Amino acid sequence: DGGITQSPKYLFRKEGQNVTLSCEQNLNHDAMYWYRQDPGQGLRLIYYSQIVNDFQKGDIAEGYSVSREKKESFPLTVTSAQKNPTAFYLCASSSGTGGGGDTQYFGPGTRLTVL
Amino acid sequence: QKEVEQNSGPLSVPEGAIASLNCTYSDRGSQSFFWYRQYSGKSPELIMSIYSNGDKEDGRFTAQLNKASQYVSLLIRDSQPSDSATYLCAVNLSGGYNKLIFGAGTRLAVHP
Repeated sequence: DGGITQSPKYLFRKEGQNVTLSCEQNLNHDAMYWYRQDPGQGLRLIYYSQIVNDFQKGDIAEGYSVSREKKESFPLTVTSAQKNPTAFYLCASSSGTGGGGDTQYFGPGTRLTVL
Repeated sequence: QKEVEQNSGPLSVPEGAIASLNCTYSDRGSQSFFWYRQYSGKSPELIMSIYSNGDKEDGRFTAQLNKASQYVSLLIRDSQPSDSATYLCAVNLSGGYNKLIFGAGTRLAVHP
């Protein structure tokens, strides 16, 4: 059963803590993405990776970090430097072969709340 | 700053009617356009993609693209209450890599 999984579904963070959100895909996709969604707003790109061991900052990378050690996995760490981390976090992947026409598919998301 | 604009709604239509959702974008070089449906509390799911000017039909859904006017729309025929969701327009920026810019979405409510 191919798809994208994210865990946990819900996550609570205390002030000053780092937390890591998991994203795994078994679609054999080269490209993976992390987005953040706030109520009433569109998705904003945090980081993306087009190939293993390489990733690029998106529009709102400050306070976040990622790694891409395996093709299937693209974890996102929300650091204590991120001042307003409460949001819905979405991971996506695409085949990476289609250039500008590459369709992105989304995982189920992780809802992060800062306490 | 490249932008994608959508009317936030809610757009309210009766069951069985045609729902028309609109989107404008600022990057004249954009070549790929996507419509996603997002139910409350869930992640976006792809409805349609369109790359060429004109219409593209898939079941009850029709996407329309006019690159000269920088306008893309989604028509939903025979709207059903299960179509009630937020519809996100996404545009691929020109520049050689697969970066999508999303609109804030239009909330559609289909009432019986």
